[in-house]
Amino acid sequence: GQSLEQPSEVTAVEGAIVQINCTYQTSGFYGLSWYQQHDGGAPTFLSYNALDGLEETGRFSSFLSRSDSYGYLLLQELQMKDSASYFCAATSGTYKYIFGTGTRLKVLA
Amino acid sequence: KAGVTQTPRYLIKTRGQQVTLSCSPISGHRSVSWYQQTPGQGLQFLFEYFSETQRNKGNFPGRFSGRQFSNSRSEMNVSTLELGDSALYLCASSSGAGEGGEQFFGPGTRLTVL
Repeated sequence: GQSLEQPSEVTAVEGAIVQINCTYQTSGFYGLSWYQQHDGGAPTFLSYNALDGLEETGRFSSFLSRSDSYGYLLLQELQMKDSASYFCAATSGTYKYIFGTGTRLKVLA
Repeated sequence: KAGVTQTPRYLIKTRGQQVTLSCSPISGHRSVSWYQQTPGQGLQFLFEYFSETQRNKGNFPGRFSGRQFSNSRSEMNVSTLELGDSALYLCASSSGAGEGGEQFFGPGTRLTVL
């Protein structure tokens, strides 16, 4: 089957760095996206990796290794507002999106 | 630019009924995808439409169907509702020009089946 695995919960303190891992098993893989969702809100796009390597956007970076079927989201200088759920999503086949079950990030003061 | 809108925001139905949900994408976006979100299963892909054509679909029974109109607005329909269909239904729009990349999500429709 097709699936993405990520930790269910991660806890870190303000100002720290946290890494959320995602391993995937999908056919026809095109790329890996990351989304943030606050409680009661809609998912919002953070980043997309189609090629191996690191993509940096401000405090957030995302990495992809196609050979290892693995990616991660790196959040630096954590802030309280970063407390949310984070989803990795693989584009599988043509225009088909498979989401992980999400990682709940708790940022402690 | 207005964001993705979904109507209604909340809906309560009983088992056996059917329901139609609506999604208006961002102006200029031609791709609309639908997802079901539940606490245990996360976001599950239902189907994706582009220029009134379904380009891909997830692993949902035939009770779940959708369509897209010429103005890119999309509807999804669930017939013969079951208790397990209670979920947040999200739609997302994108330009649809390439695989993957950014999708813009609407606020969702919270469906409760009693």
